[in-house]
Amino acid sequence: AQSVSQHNHHVILSEAASLELGCNYSYGGTVNLFWYVQYPGQHLQLLLKYFSGDPLVKGIKGFEAEFIKSKFSFNLRKPSVQWSDTAEYFCAVTGGYQKVTFGTGTKLQVIP
Amino acid sequence: GAVVSQHPSWVICKSGTSVKIECRSLDFQATTMFWYRQFPKQSLMLMATSNEGSKATYEQGVEKDKFLINHASLTLSTLTVTSAHPEDSSFYICSARDQWGGISYEQYFGPGTRLTVT
Repeated sequence: AQSVSQHNHHVILSEAASLELGCNYSYGGTVNLFWYVQYPGQHLQLLLKYFSGDPLVKGIKGFEAEFIKSKFSFNLRKPSVQWSDTAEYFCAVTGGYQKVTFGTGTKLQVIP
Repeated sequence: GAVVSQHPSWVICKSGTSVKIECRSLDFQATTMFWYRQFPKQSLMLMATSNEGSKATYEQGVEKDKFLINHASLTLSTLTVTSAHPEDSSFYICSARDQWGGISYEQYFGPGTRLTVT
């Protein structure tokens, strides 16, 4: 069975600080990895995804993530956060059965 | 493109009644839709996979007779919470996968439906 763990439950940063959110997964086969964002009062939106190829994936709004197969990790990064990045971030993995398994989410609060 | 809508966005019902939630893919066809439940401060929990023209596949622990899923067309799946109880109060989210997505397993999410059972 596939699983996803996000170690940071709540992160508070000042504007312009750098961000890195951890995501580790477990699955024995080929995986597809996603980061979703949920802004307050809005629905889930896809930030970025990895299927194959370059392990460094660039997404919307300046976010990027790096797939490190040996570490089973897919950490999300942004060099300089803005107040508008305040949201909840979910890492997700899809394995062979196409079911998406979500991590527990990381709530990011950016202080102006 | 790739918009998924849910209706209603918010519903309050009395204990013992049934509630139907609709999930529609507005600009693409979806042979597969997924229903999730999200508890406060928790992640999304997959309830079932809805397949057009066939029976839904439920996750372990999800009551099939309580959460009825019908995927009657390539753009519509419905979730009916039967004989609702206060513990069914939650945020229900659907997602849909573009049937022409090929190897893309990206899912597009609806805005969710807040169910409150009194």
